[in-house]
Amino acid sequence: QVHLVQSGAEVKKPGASVKVSCKASGYTFTRYPMHWVRQAPGQGLEWMGWINTGKGNTKFSQKVQGRVTITRDTSASIAYMELSSLRSEDTAVYYCVREDLDSFDIWGQGTMVTVSS
Amino acid sequence: SYELTQPPSVSVSPGQTASITCSGNKLGNIYTSWYQHKPGQSPLLVIYQDRKRPSGIPERFSGSNSGNTATLTISGTQDMDEADYYCQAWDSTTVVFGGGTKLTVL
Repeated sequence: QVHLVQSGAEVKKPGASVKVSCKASGYTFTRYPMHWVRQAPGQGLEWMGWINTGKGNTKFSQKVQGRVTITRDTSASIAYMELSSLRSEDTAVYYCVREDLDSFDIWGQGTMVTVSS
Repeated sequence: SYELTQPPSVSVSPGQTASITCSGNKLGNIYTSWYQHKPGQSPLLVIYQDRKRPSGIPERFSGSNSGNTATLTISGTQDMDEADYYCQAWDSTTVVFGGGTKLTVL
């Protein structure tokens, strides 16, 4: 079975960084792009960026460009999302998502990141 | 930047048909996907490439896309269909989500 398993909840102070991991299993990791999507409390889904898991190139939304890094470890089938200079507005559930046929077919369980002083 | 617009809420009686729209400039020229999101769960893909259903998604879910509007239709709506629904499309190399529609079954 195809699964994406994310790391656990994080609590960070404003200005700090957070790194969330996403381990893939049940398929060939490098054949599918990986995206990151977040949902702040009471808000909708927000796309953050994606990585070509084979080549490693990335693309980000304008909103988080400059603060977000997405990397991958192909030997371990893990994708990472690191967000820096955290502020209260970054409090959200963060999802890693597999892309197939222009859509998001497999979602991780979500990682709650709380930014609070 | 490209924007997708959804109605904030839609209400439907059990057994009736619910239609949720997603509007964007020339949206019919690109593929649209739809996701169902229930509280405490991860979103679930229900329609991809405008009208295709992933394995395991009931036949009562269908989609269409033409002109500036994509539509998710749920026929014979059931209580379990109550959720937030999001449309999604690509804007060149970036992804856009609609603002979401809360479907209430009452």
